Amino acid sequence: NAGVMQNPRHLVRRRGQEARLRCSPMKGHSHVYWYRQLPEEGLKFMVYLQKENIIDESGMPKERFSAEFPKEGPSILRIQQVVRGDSAAYFCASSPDRGGTDTEAFFGQGTRLTVV
Amino acid sequence: AQSVTQLDSQVPVFEEAPVELRCNYSSSVSVYLFWYVQYPNQGLQLLLKYLSGSTLVKGINGFEAEFNKSQTSFHLRKPSVHISDTAEYFCAGGSNYKLTFGKGTLLTVNP
Repeated sequence: NAGVMQNPRHLVRRRGQEARLRCSPMKGHSHVYWYRQLPEEGLKFMVYLQKENIIDESGMPKERFSAEFPKEGPSILRIQQVVRGDSAAYFCASSPDRGGTDTEAFFGQGTRLTVV
Repeated sequence: AQSVTQLDSQVPVFEEAPVELRCNYSSSVSVYLFWYVQYPNQGLQLLLKYLSGSTLVKGINGFEAEFNKSQTSFHLRKPSVHISDTAEYFCAGGSNYKLTFGKGTLLTVNP
C-alpha cells in the first residue's frame, strides 16, 4: 500500500507564474489536508477536503490560493501569480475519515516550492 | 491563539546517550498532542500521541512522552539513541485534522 504521494517533490516558478501541487492520498483514504511550512516555521494548516468538498479552508490565504479534491484523481493545491513569499514546503496528509481517536493522518514527503 | 513551542531548534547527542526533546503547548490547544518524526527526504511519521488516559505514552522506536498538564508540557524522551534516530522531530497539538505544529527540533546523533 503506497503512502501519500506528492508531486513534484521540487518545483521552481518565476514570480507571476502558477504553481500546481498534486497529492494522491493513500488507498482507501477520502480525506485530505494541506499544510504549509515556511522557512524557520512549523507546519501551518491550510485546508481540509473530502471528495468534491472543501470542509475547512480557514488556513488558506484569501487570494491566489485554491484547492480541490475531485471525484477522480489527486487533490490539487493551486497557487496563482506566485510571489517570493510563497516559497515553502507544502505537505499533504490523508486519513480514512475525519479522525476519531484511533485514526491517524499520514503525511506525504512534501513539495518544496521555490519562487525566483 | 493556539501555539506549540519547541524550545530547542537543534539537539546534538552522542550515540547511546539519553535524549529529551522539549515541547510546551498553550492551554488553548486541545489536549490532543502528537510527536512526528521526519527523516531526510521522507514525509512526517507519527511517533506517538496523547489523547486521554495515562500521561505516559509509549511510541515507536523506543520513544516515549509524558503529558504534564500543570506544566503544559509534552516532552519526548528516549533512554538510548541510535545514529538512525537522526531526524527532525515535530510536536503538534489539536484535533486530528487541524494540527498546530512547533517549529521542529533537529536531533543529530553522533558516533
